Amino acid sequence: QSALTQPPSASGSPGQSVTISCTGTRRDVGAFDYVSWYQHHPDKAPKLMLYEVNKRPSGVPDRFSGSKSGNTASLTVSGLQTEDEADYYCNSYAGGDSYVFGTGTRVTVL
Amino acid sequence: QVQLVQSGAEVKKPGASVKVSCKASGYDITNYYMHWVRQAPGQGLEWMGIINPIYNSTTSAQKLQGRLTMTRDTSTSTDYMELSSLRPEDTAVYYCARDGRHFGDMDVWGKGTTVTVSS
Repeated sequence: QSALTQPPSASGSPGQSVTISCTGTRRDVGAFDYVSWYQHHPDKAPKLMLYEVNKRPSGVPDRFSGSKSGNTASLTVSGLQTEDEADYYCNSYAGGDSYVFGTGTRVTVL
Repeated sequence: QVQLVQSGAEVKKPGASVKVSCKASGYDITNYYMHWVRQAPGQGLEWMGIINPIYNSTTSAQKLQGRLTMTRDTSTSTDYMELSSLRPEDTAVYYCARDGRHFGDMDVWGKGTTVTVSS
């Protein structure tokens, strides 16, 4: 179970969009539409932002969207706001009740 | 409201074991899976394992198999994570997180328990 690959960092100015990729294999991301995304601010618990690739839990702004193609999933944050500055992690189901997180991406709002 | 309350910080010596609790309230624990996740200092989130209430089973990440034990006490709505043969690299914040029944949507998280392994 190797971690899914994410870029270490991404950035954008307020109002711009940023897209984060999450690359796995045909045994995890490529095999299931069970990719979720988490926002993690320092010293706080992670927060679920998307599940099943592109579904938003209640309360998550529609500025957050997701997609998947083959072994790569993506999170797009549109209309960047200062409070979006955080670490973001993808997670994928990998079969047999097992899961794997991505390496994490630090998003900076310039 | 739905919440997960974790036990307090622990300091352990290498080779010892640690047991972290996660008490659920506001929902029926018997209907939900529970994940355990950790974050070492300066590192990313790491999925550790899951409790499956349907088959009363657990699944651990490959690297932790043999050292990780997860249990559930339905009488107190409390899940437990025990990690044995601790090493300094097990120093981390440990989280429990409820699976919202959509395969990996960890929708409710505990605040985290800091475990420090040091001689």
